[in-house]
Amino acid sequence: EPEVTQTPSHQVTQMGQEVILRCVPISNHLYFYWYRQILGQKVEFLVSFYNNEISEKSEIFDDQFSVERPDGSNFTLKIRSTKLEDSAMYFCASSDWRQGETQYFGPGTRLLVL
Amino acid sequence: DAKTTQPPSMDCAEGRAANLPCNHSTISGNEYVYWYRQIHSQGPQYIIHGLKNNETNEMASLIITEDRKSSTLILPHATLRDTAVYYCIVRVADSGTYKYIFGTGTRLKVLA
Repeated sequence: EPEVTQTPSHQVTQMGQEVILRCVPISNHLYFYWYRQILGQKVEFLVSFYNNEISEKSEIFDDQFSVERPDGSNFTLKIRSTKLEDSAMYFCASSDWRQGETQYFGPGTRLLVL
Repeated sequence: DAKTTQPPSMDCAEGRAANLPCNHSTISGNEYVYWYRQIHSQGPQYIIHGLKNNETNEMASLIITEDRKSSTLILPHATLRDTAVYYCIVRVADSGTYKYIFGTGTRLKVLA
């Protein structure tokens, strides 16, 4: 069964450093999402992406964040200058070409900013 | 804010049916109800979704009331591996995208 994959599974970084989180969505999917979950808190929507541009972003997704689909398979989330409060699980999700279809989530990347 | 309310926790005996309720009294006519679960800190796992008819798949059944203001997820024979946080989500359609707004979910503990 096809699934969303994410790398790395864990990342530790120093405050102020840039990180790139990578996702490989399900191959025929065209809509992509990032969510995050701070330890013990709710899963929060960050951004949605379609046709090589951002469709919607939340208040959390400020200028420090960016997303990109650099090739036909990867979907990345970049945090330019990490802050302590960026420590969280980051989940990528994708849904297929029919807008509004079920989103399938990856296993997540646990980011720890020191 | 999430458009759903769920009890914070429930227990269920192994082998018995687990019935997880969800209220979504402000749901709009074209909004779907989705159920996901999260085991530990893994990615949310899709279970089932519906609009107004009851639905069943290999994992669970979804019962939606006629007025669509509430629903119940049924795990027919709960196992220890079903211990997880279960999220009921009303999929919001804004600006042409379909983001999920998660609530705090129901922490289901299946007891041996």
